[in-house]
Amino acid sequence: EDQVTQSPEALRLQEGESSSLNCSYTVSGLRGLFWYRQDPGKGPEFLFTLYSAGEEKEKERLKATLTKKESFLHITAPKPEDSATYLCAVKENYGQNFVFGPGTRLSVLP
Amino acid sequence: EAQVTQNPRYLITVTGKKLTVTCSQNMNHEYMSWYRQDPGLGLRQIYYSMNVEVTDKGDVPEGYKVSRKEKRNFPLILESPSPNQTSLYFCASSLNRGSEKLFFGSGTQLSVL
Repeated sequence: EDQVTQSPEALRLQEGESSSLNCSYTVSGLRGLFWYRQDPGKGPEFLFTLYSAGEEKEKERLKATLTKKESFLHITAPKPEDSATYLCAVKENYGQNFVFGPGTRLSVLP
Repeated sequence: EAQVTQNPRYLITVTGKKLTVTCSQNMNHEYMSWYRQDPGLGLRQIYYSMNVEVTDKGDVPEGYKVSRKEKRNFPLILESPSPNQTSLYFCASSLNRGSEKLFFGSGTQLSVL
């Protein structure tokens, strides 16, 4: 059974304090790993797709990386507007569905 | 503006009273799906549809029904809601079943008393 776990559950950073969020996954054959951002009272918003180990994607202060068992979302010099819940999801090779992790709630304090 | 629209945003009801949550997308997407989000459990898929008149069960379909009579609409029906269906519900769509990018609605917070 496909599984996705995320750590930490919650993370509080000072503005400018870089850190990483972890997504660990178990899937029989990975088609893709996805990162979404969810703001309070809103639906998740797509950030990245990663397909194979070693791949990296960047967007502003965010960089996502992928290994065979986990993905990291690195946040460099975060700002308060980066505060959100970050969701990780996987899709297996012949699957129809995404399997989501529980998310990491990030708070960036000014 | 391209969007997925859900209604209502908030709904309080009582056990056994049938309700419908509507979902509409204006992007001509083939694939639509319903999720529920509960603390600590992440998003779990309830039902999905790959095109008009084609629907299938997700991971947690019990107690829910869906229909896809038109491409743009995908309502979620709870015929006899129970308290364990209290949750935050999201509708999502994508271009087709192979697309990797899901577009989500803003959510419906349902409380069943």
